[in-house]
Amino acid sequence: GDKVKQSPSALSLQEGTNSALRCNFSIAATTVQWFLQNPRGSLINLFYLVPGTKENGRLKSAFDSKESYSTLHIRDAQLEDSGTYFCAAEAPSGSWQLIFGSGTQLTVMP
Amino acid sequence: NSKVIQTPRYLVKGQGQKAKMRCIPEKGHPVVFWYQQNKNNEFKFLINFQNQEVLQQIDMTEKRFSAECPSNSPCSLEIQSSEAGDSALYLCASSLEAAEQFFGPGTRLTVL
Repeated sequence: GDKVKQSPSALSLQEGTNSALRCNFSIAATTVQWFLQNPRGSLINLFYLVPGTKENGRLKSAFDSKESYSTLHIRDAQLEDSGTYFCAAEAPSGSWQLIFGSGTQLTVMP
Repeated sequence: NSKVIQTPRYLVKGQGQKAKMRCIPEKGHPVVFWYQQNKNNEFKFLINFQNQEVLQQIDMTEKRFSAECPSNSPCSLEIQSSEAGDSALYLCASSLEAAEQFFGPGTRLTVL
């Protein structure tokens, strides 16, 4: 089943605009990571979150463990932000494995 | 970003052949993970190690897949008898205990 439900599955943005991605968890996630996968397949670490909020440049992410969701906000989208974004929650199994969402394919247009 | 090294980047095998891929974790990271990402962007956890010991593995790994993380050598994941359904991107990650995971660039396996 969808232990980590990510939305939207695809998103097109005009350069310079803002948007938000979301993951809802049906498991008791303890930590969340957000990644950007580039066309070559490499997963680039964006955020590692315990419950709370972090910001890095034009990106901001929040993880609310009580309400079981996490968000990734992109401000002033740039062409190089294009790619597939994944959230992943640490499973409560105790072995630190990640359970991934299905991804958001982001296209930023000039 | 990540200093995890995976080789080879691409691997092409016929059905029934062995397929072996290697991973060098980031220096000082005792925990190593293997995940499979299929063409539908579905990730499947396969196995993880803490130092040389298996922490957890799924059923698929117990049967056709074998993996090890010997001391002073790269970790490896081997498929004993490749099937078409094994075609995927195999990702290795490493971490300190209970912490952020860092991924290598992956080995893209194609089984003809």
